[in-house]
Amino acid sequence: AQSVTQLGSHVSVSEGALVLLRCNYSSSVPPYLFWYVQYPNQGLQLLLKYTTGATLVKGINGFEAEFKKSETSFHLTKPSAHMSDAAEYFCAVSPANTGNQFYFGTGTSLTVIP
Amino acid sequence: EPEVTQTPSHQVTQMGQEVILRCVPISNHLYFYWYRQILGQKVEFLVSFYNNEISEKSEIFDDQFSVERPDGSNFTLKIRSTKLEDSAMYFCASSDTGYVAEAFFGQGTRLTVV
Repeated sequence: AQSVTQLGSHVSVSEGALVLLRCNYSSSVPPYLFWYVQYPNQGLQLLLKYTTGATLVKGINGFEAEFKKSETSFHLTKPSAHMSDAAEYFCAVSPANTGNQFYFGTGTSLTVIP
Repeated sequence: EPEVTQTPSHQVTQMGQEVILRCVPISNHLYFYWYRQILGQKVEFLVSFYNNEISEKSEIFDDQFSVERPDGSNFTLKIRSTKLEDSAMYFCASSDTGYVAEAFFGQGTRLTVV
């Protein structure tokens, strides 16, 4: 069975500060891991994904995430928050042997304080 | 940039009524999905569709739900007799592969059942 846990439903950071959004997963098979962002009144936009290879994955808008198998984690980071980063962020896992389904976390709402 | 479009953006319907949510996937994509997000909860998989048939569906996708690709461009989700608990944001997505789905999501249709 697959599941995703996002710690912290709301995270606030100051503009220019480090952004850290946590995601832990459980998967019975090697997973593919994703981060999506949802801006107000918009759809889900892919930020980055991990499938195989390098465990540090770089995405759009300066975000990156590191797959740590030993910790079953895929935390999302950005060195310096911008006001435009305020959005809802979803971590998702897809079983590598099927790929038809995404299992999403409950989401983390990021607020950036000027 | 190609995008998935969904109509309407917001629909209000009375309990027991039928609703059809419409989606126009990206033109060269072959895999189509519906997800939903009840307010405050995680995004949940409903169904995937490929080659004019359902390839996978979740427990949520019961007999009240159906999907159809009535022509070469639209992909619809029908709820036959809506219940209050069907109120949610419904997301359509499409991808060009069944694996490593870099799925593109639409902006969603907010369904409110009263």
